[in-house]
Amino acid sequence: GENVEQHPSTLSVQEGDSAVIKCTYSDSASNYFPWYKQELGKRPQLIIDIRSNVGEKKDQRIAVTLNKTAKHFSLHITETQPEDSAVYFCAASKNSGGSNYKLTFGKGTLLTVNP
Amino acid sequence: NAGVTQTPKFRILKIGQSMTLQCTQDMNHNYMYWYRQDPGMGLKLIYYSVGAGITDKGEVPNGYNVSRSTTEDFPLRLELAAPSQTSVYFCASGLEGYYGYTFGSGTRLTVV
Repeated sequence: GENVEQHPSTLSVQEGDSAVIKCTYSDSASNYFPWYKQELGKRPQLIIDIRSNVGEKKDQRIAVTLNKTAKHFSLHITETQPEDSAVYFCAASKNSGGSNYKLTFGKGTLLTVNP
Repeated sequence: NAGVTQTPKFRILKIGQSMTLQCTQDMNHNYMYWYRQDPGMGLKLIYYSVGAGITDKGEVPNGYNVSRSTTEDFPLRLELAAPSQTSVYFCASGLEGYYGYTFGSGTRLTVV
């Protein structure tokens, strides 16, 4: 099955700096890559996603890039703020119909933004 | 819309006891999932369902059972609870395709 590796496991940045979290996946048939943010004691929430036919997607201060050849994708957060502090999870799935739609998650990155 | 609702939020079980974690969604999603989250280990899939009457095992199904009699409900049953089942359990639902999941608020279970 799919295997998703996520790095780093912890990341500490100063407010205003950029943060980058990287993930690799094993199944070349995977075609959907969402990112989730989980604040302490809360549920994971979808913040951005990308499909395999797109190389980059932006939403205000966050962006995701995808390299299908290398089978890796990254989350970029610019101008970080203390409220960006959370655990971020990457995930991958292949949406080819039927029972294949299930996400495999990375182990998460704890991002701390220091004021 | 309430989204995905899980009950209870917290529970302490003794070894060998059984319980059912409830999950219901009101978004008419055909897909539903149960994940467990252990510290530093991410989210691991226990069971999932692609529609009423259809369930399948995920990565870590041992010690659990599920049923899906309606589109809305997807309960998770723990039989003979063990300390290794101490975890936070999340139910999620989604639509097939390029959509993310909607998660419930989680159930924090401790087995002592």
